[in-house]
Amino acid sequence: DSGVTQTPKHLITATGQRVTLRCSPRSGDLSVYWYQQSLDQGLQFLIQYYNGEERAKGNILERFSAQQFPDLHSELNLSSLELGDSALYFCASSVPITGRNTGELFFGEGSRLTVL
Amino acid sequence: EDQVTQSPEALRLQEGESSSLNCSYTVSGLRGLFWYRQDPGKGPEFLFTLYSAGEEKEKERLKATLTKKESFLHITAPKPEDSATYLCAVRPGGSYIPTFGRGTSLIVHP
Repeated sequence: DSGVTQTPKHLITATGQRVTLRCSPRSGDLSVYWYQQSLDQGLQFLIQYYNGEERAKGNILERFSAQQFPDLHSELNLSSLELGDSALYFCASSVPITGRNTGELFFGEGSRLTVL
Repeated sequence: EDQVTQSPEALRLQEGESSSLNCSYTVSGLRGLFWYRQDPGKGPEFLFTLYSAGEEKEKERLKATLTKKESFLHITAPKPEDSATYLCAVRPGGSYIPTFGRGTSLIVHP
């Protein structure tokens, strides 16, 4: 158990719809990362937040957005969903408030999104 | 552009048959090379961090080594429970965003 919690575990929705994925980082971690994993693309970095502020953006579509709240949990919003958005979405956390940032990421179990 | 290439894509071993997985990388100012294990339908699980050429880390049947251009994950006398996808990632200098390889899918037959 990594200590990172993601909900929901599974989500089935239709094209054009909007969904929200939720992530609670490990206790004490300040940074949250979102990754998308599909069979043909591997793990693709989407976006990173640190202590409530956006720090880095990767290959995140304009239809996707995220935020990190004061209690450090994060949400990834996916809108105008397309078939190609079907994938596993992972949240990872790092940067413990009490320790050195060694770069390791601790991943949640993921949210599997299926768009029909 | 940072690149991570893992080989082979898939590997089948008999229980007890030792082998190595390769991770070749191109990165600006390596700040860390990471190995993760991922079971089907689960999130990647952190295994090792290597920072400089010549460094080695061990954990049970796994040993990770690092050179200036690649890293190897050696699996000694593997067991069926070692079956998983092994992911390599590199963190470039000036960034906290690791770039992941596509992984090696390992199956160990009893």
